[in-house]
Amino acid sequence: EDQVTQSPEALRLQEGESSSLNCSYTVSGLRGLFWYRQDPGKGPEFLFTLYSAGEEKEKERLKATLTKKESFLHITAPKPEDSATYLCAVQANAGNNRKLIWGLGTSLAVNP
Amino acid sequence: EAQVTQNPRYLITVTGKKLTVTCSQNMNHEYMSWYRQDPGLGLRQIYYSMNVEVTDKGDVPEGYKVSRKEKRNFPLILESPSPNQTSLYFCASSSSTRNSPLHFGNGTRLTVT
Repeated sequence: EDQVTQSPEALRLQEGESSSLNCSYTVSGLRGLFWYRQDPGKGPEFLFTLYSAGEEKEKERLKATLTKKESFLHITAPKPEDSATYLCAVQANAGNNRKLIWGLGTSLAVNP
Repeated sequence: EAQVTQNPRYLITVTGKKLTVTCSQNMNHEYMSWYRQDPGLGLRQIYYSMNVEVTDKGDVPEGYKVSRKEKRNFPLILESPSPNQTSLYFCASSSSTRNSPLHFGNGTRLTVT
């Protein structure tokens, strides 16, 4: 069964304290892995797409990496405005739906 | 500004009273989808549409209907809402390009009493 597991569920950091969020997946053929950010009361906002193992993408303080079994979202020197829930989703090769399998997210709080 | 617009943002209704949540996108996207988000269950797909007049069920379609008569609009219809449909609903769209990311609306928080 296709599955996405994110850890930790919640993470509290001090401003400037770097850390990583994990997204482990099992899927029958990976078409793409997506990272989204979700602020309270808002819809998820797209961050990155990764397609193959070894790929990396960066945006400001965020860097996403991908292996054959998991993805990491590295947050370098976070600021309070990085506080949000980070969602991971994978798209499998099978079917035409373009369906995404979502993780439950990591809730990140960055204290000033 | 490119966006997905949902209305209303908040809705409180009673069991059995038909309602419609509207969704409109201005990006000329072919693909549109509805999700519900519940604590501990995450995002679950209700219905999706690959293009105009083409819709299909997602993972949790029971109790919902959709239509896609125009490319930009994809309303979600609850014919007879029940309390277990109390949830946060999101509409999303994307282009037909392979692996295009979803663009989400800001959500509709529905409470059915």
